[in-house]
Amino acid sequence: QKEVEQDPGPLSVPEGAIVSLNCTYSNSAFQYFMWYRQYSRKGPELLMYTYSSGNKEDGRFTAQVDKSSKYISLFIRDSQPSDSATYLCAMSVSGGGADGLTFGKGTHLIIQP
Amino acid sequence: GAVVSQHPSRVICKSGTSVKIECRSLDFQATTMFWYRQFPKQSLMLMATSNEGSKATYEQGVEKDKFLINHASLTLSTLTVTSAHPEDSSFYICSAPTGGAGTEAFFGQGTRLTVV
Repeated sequence: QKEVEQDPGPLSVPEGAIVSLNCTYSNSAFQYFMWYRQYSRKGPELLMYTYSSGNKEDGRFTAQVDKSSKYISLFIRDSQPSDSATYLCAMSVSGGGADGLTFGKGTHLIIQP
Repeated sequence: GAVVSQHPSRVICKSGTSVKIECRSLDFQATTMFWYRQFPKQSLMLMATSNEGSKATYEQGVEKDKFLINHASLTLSTLTVTSAHPEDSSFYICSAPTGGAGTEAFFGQGTRLTVV
């Protein structure tokens, strides 16, 4: 079993829909959870950064962490064609400052105009 | 967010030659930087942790003599792929956290290496 599981997609939804992206993980030591957006093999861009369980909202994006289930989610409201990209979940024990990140494979998201 | 610059963005080299990739933190100092590798349709995989003024720490299965890392200053880390072979062709990305534990890590633009 891989440390982080993420459905690679592609996930195709119409513009304006709510998108739900998810990851599961096996290492209970992970404390910090992140979502990155990556365009066409460019460097990942940080979207959300959360610590432990709970919800965090930033504009159209909401990140949820359920440590008891080892399950994290990213919701995108009012999705736009410009949101089309690969979304990577990442996690670490110490938050990325002291240790490297463990990534999922990424979900390729397509927002249809 | 903080800016991390990586250079070059793309490089093609002949088999057997060496290639150096630079990673710079432009608006902050980074005592630690991380190097990742990403194969097509795969996750970013951590290769090594670069520590300013000391030796890098390599992940299991990564050859330290092949992937030489130098972190000579608080804003620059370099990865040198020595005696490159076609199987080393990949997307190499660096990241730098803005502080210690609990801080965010920002990524460079990545370097696409093709060994012919």
